[in-house]
Amino acid sequence: AQKVTQAQTEISVVEKEDVTLDCVYETRDTTYYLFWYKQPPSGELVFLIRRNSFDEQNEISGRYSWNFQKSTSSFNFTITASQVVDSAVYFCALSEGGGAQKLVFGQGTRLTINP
Amino acid sequence: GAVVSQHPSRVICKSGTSVKIECRSLDFQATTMFWYRQFPKKSLMLMATSNEGSKATYEQGVEKDKFLINHASLTLSTLTVTSAHPEDSSFYICSARDGQGAYSPLHFGNGTRLTVT
Repeated sequence: AQKVTQAQTEISVVEKEDVTLDCVYETRDTTYYLFWYKQPPSGELVFLIRRNSFDEQNEISGRYSWNFQKSTSSFNFTITASQVVDSAVYFCALSEGGGAQKLVFGQGTRLTINP
Repeated sequence: GAVVSQHPSRVICKSGTSVKIECRSLDFQATTMFWYRQFPKKSLMLMATSNEGSKATYEQGVEKDKFLINHASLTLSTLTVTSAHPEDSSFYICSARDGQGAYSPLHFGNGTRLTVT
């Protein structure tokens, strides 16, 4: 069965610091997809990034970057020069390529950026 | 981008009554929609997969007679919480894929906060 673990329940940093959110996943499928979502206090879920299991290339989007390592089953998310607006709960999620293709979420990491 | 609309955003009901939540894909068709439940400060737990024109697939531990799902068209799925009780109070979120396959990201509605008194 697929599983996603975000060991960091809460992280609090001062603005402009860099912060990395960890994500470790488990799956028996060779084809799978990884996602990160952001949930601000208003509650809606915002899609940030997706990666398929065959693409280990890291990605950078502005202050956001993602490090996908199949060898350690990890898909970590780094925010550089954090800002107060980055405060939210961040979820890592996994979808297997076959079957129902349902999306399973990690426990989430509550990130607080203090001014 | 793809938009999923969920209604109502908030509902308060009395114990024993039923509540219907609607989920619409506004600019795309969705043969499959997913219903999640989120308790305060907790993760999203998949409740069921809604399939257009057929029965929903429920996750283990979810009472299908309590959480009725109907996916009557390619743009509308509804979740009805029947005979609601205070323990059903939660944040319910629907989602749908714009495109085929697991690589397509799920787009989420804004959620419905249900409070049962």
